[in-house]
Amino acid sequence: GAVVSQHPSRVICKSGTSVKIECRSLDFQATTMFWYRQFPKQSLMLMATSNEGSKATYEQGVEKDKFLINHASLTLSTLTVTSAHPEDSSFYICSALTATFTSSYNSPLHFGNGTRLTVT
Amino acid sequence: KQEVTQIPAALSVPEGENLVLNCSFTDSAIYNLQWFRQDPGKGLTSLLLIQSSQREQTSGRLNASLDKSSGRSTLYIAASQPGDSATYLCAVYYGGSQGNLIFGKGTKLSVKP
Repeated sequence: GAVVSQHPSRVICKSGTSVKIECRSLDFQATTMFWYRQFPKQSLMLMATSNEGSKATYEQGVEKDKFLINHASLTLSTLTVTSAHPEDSSFYICSALTATFTSSYNSPLHFGNGTRLTVT
Repeated sequence: KQEVTQIPAALSVPEGENLVLNCSFTDSAIYNLQWFRQDPGKGLTSLLLIQSSQREQTSGRLNASLDKSSGRSTLYIAASQPGDSATYLCAVYYGGSQGNLIFGKGTKLSVKP
């Protein structure tokens, strides 16, 4: 099956520093990946859509200059949290798309294991 | 506003019991609905996907139903096992970006041996 690897699984950083999170599709090519954020006791929410070779599309309310997304290859998307602050502490999860919903009876979204970011 | 609500927020049952998790959505114009499982500190594993034209989907001990007109879905777990302990998320897709799912907050299930 499609495997998505996300690294690191856990990171603690100081306020004002930047943190890079990687999302890799291990056994398939993913032209489209997605980044989500989940605050404690809240719903998972889509932050941005990452397309290989083009600029990411951000959801309303997500600062593109703070959350830099790069999708330079068909198997790797990165999310960089710049000048992190304690309010950025959250669980970040990526997913990769292997098909489209209209053609699938199984979910075409495959998720990484997430990254727990703590900003002190 | 499109919202997904899951009830109960937490559930504890003894092993072997059959149980039902509930999901409701405010806008019935859905493309599909998914049920995911999330283990602590882990990503999501898709359990079942129901397209808007379907009424139910089954996989092993899991059965998910969909009633679009009433804005409801249920996940039925038969003969629960301690390994079923996890948070179960319901997510609705309304179209547009394939990753733009509207998630509920989840039901945290604990199955006691």
